[in-house]
This record gives sequence, C-alpha cells and structure tokens, in this order.
Amino acid sequence: EAQVTQNPRYLITVTGKKLTVTCSQNMNHEYMSWYRQDPGLGLRQIYYSMNVEVTDKGDVPEGYKVSRKEKRNFPLILESPSPNQTSLYFCASSPTAAGEAFFGQGTRLTVV
Amino acid sequence: ILNVEQSPQSLHVQEGDSTNFTCSFPSSNFYALHWYRWETAKSPEALFVMTLNGDEKKKGRISATLNTKEGYSYLYIKGSQPEDSATYLCASLSGGYNKLIFGAGTRLAVHP
Repeated sequence: EAQVTQNPRYLITVTGKKLTVTCSQNMNHEYMSWYRQDPGLGLRQIYYSMNVEVTDKGDVPEGYKVSRKEKRNFPLILESPSPNQTSLYFCASSPTAAGEAFFGQGTRLTVV
Repeated sequence: ILNVEQSPQSLHVQEGDSTNFTCSFPSSNFYALHWYRWETAKSPEALFVMTLNGDEKKKGRISATLNTKEGYSYLYIKGSQPEDSATYLCASLSGGYNKLIFGAGTRLAVHP
C-alpha cells in the first residue's frame, strides 16, 4: 500500500530536549516536505527536499533541521524545542514539487 | 511569501444543498493549483491538481474550475452530504518556486 508514515503520532516533551520526528514514504517520490498546522493558519512549509541530499528552507524553518540521506526518509529534527513549536506536523511526499502530495498521519507535538 | 486566500472561512449547509468556495492566488508565474480535502483526525487527501487556464475537473459530486489569468479557483459540491463535512484546502505553486503555498482552508459542515 502506497503510504507516508510518520512517527510518533503524539509527543509531549520538555523545552530544550532534542527530538526527531521520522517520515518515510514507499512511493519512490523525489519531493518531500514538512508542514506545521496551527489554528487559523494554513499549512506552512518548514523544509522541503527536491531529492536525496538536496534540502531547502520553506517559510518557517527557524528551530528545525532536516536531512535527506535516502530517498524514502526525511526526518525532522528539533535540536532545542520551545513551546512555540507546539503544533500539528505533517510530512508529505510527491513525485515532483507540482505533483499531488501524499500526507502522513500527522504528529501532534506539545512542548512544555 | 505569496498569499493564497480562501473564502469563506467556514460554511454551514443543510444536506442536499449545493455549495461553492473560492480560492484566490497570485496569477503571475502560475504553475499549478491543488485542492485537498481534510477530514478531522485524518490527513489531507488530494482532490484535484489543475494547471491549465479554463480547466474544469470533476470527481463525483465535487468539481473545480480554474482561472489563471485572474487568479482564482472555485470548488463546487453538488447535493452536499454529511460525509462531505471537512476542511477544504487549496494550494498554489508558482513557476520558479519549489513549494506549495496553502490557504487557511474553508471548513464545511453539512447538517442532516
């Protein structure tokens, strides 16, 4: 089954404790991206990757890091989480930047 | 950041009503327009990807039109059903950019 898998689905953590949210896709898609969703706002892109070893900042990259060492995986790293990073996070993949995006199940992160 | 605006913000209709929402986007350097359906507690799922001016796409009772010259797209739902209740997101991709810009969405509630 074609899918994008994110883990964990829910996470409560404390300020400053490094965490990683994993994302994996099995559709051989070139393009992957991370979004955050906050009440009243649309999905805002954090980082995207056009292909392996090619990553670039989206609209809200501050406080986040990503890597794309393999085509299927695109982890999101919060080196020192802060309460303003409490949000719902989605990973997505698509064949190209313009192609239909397939979203993961979402990760609800709370930083206290 | 290129703005994508959606209206209305929310909509309540009765079962059987037909309804429509608007997505406006920057018309310069237009490349693609996406519509997604996002049910509560689930992930956004693609409805349409549109690229050509005047394009019209249909999936069951849902259809969409695109005007790239004036920068808007309409999503229509004919004979709304309670299962159509969801947030409908549009996203625009401009040439020269590699990221989808999402609107804040239209939240539709269909009452039996």
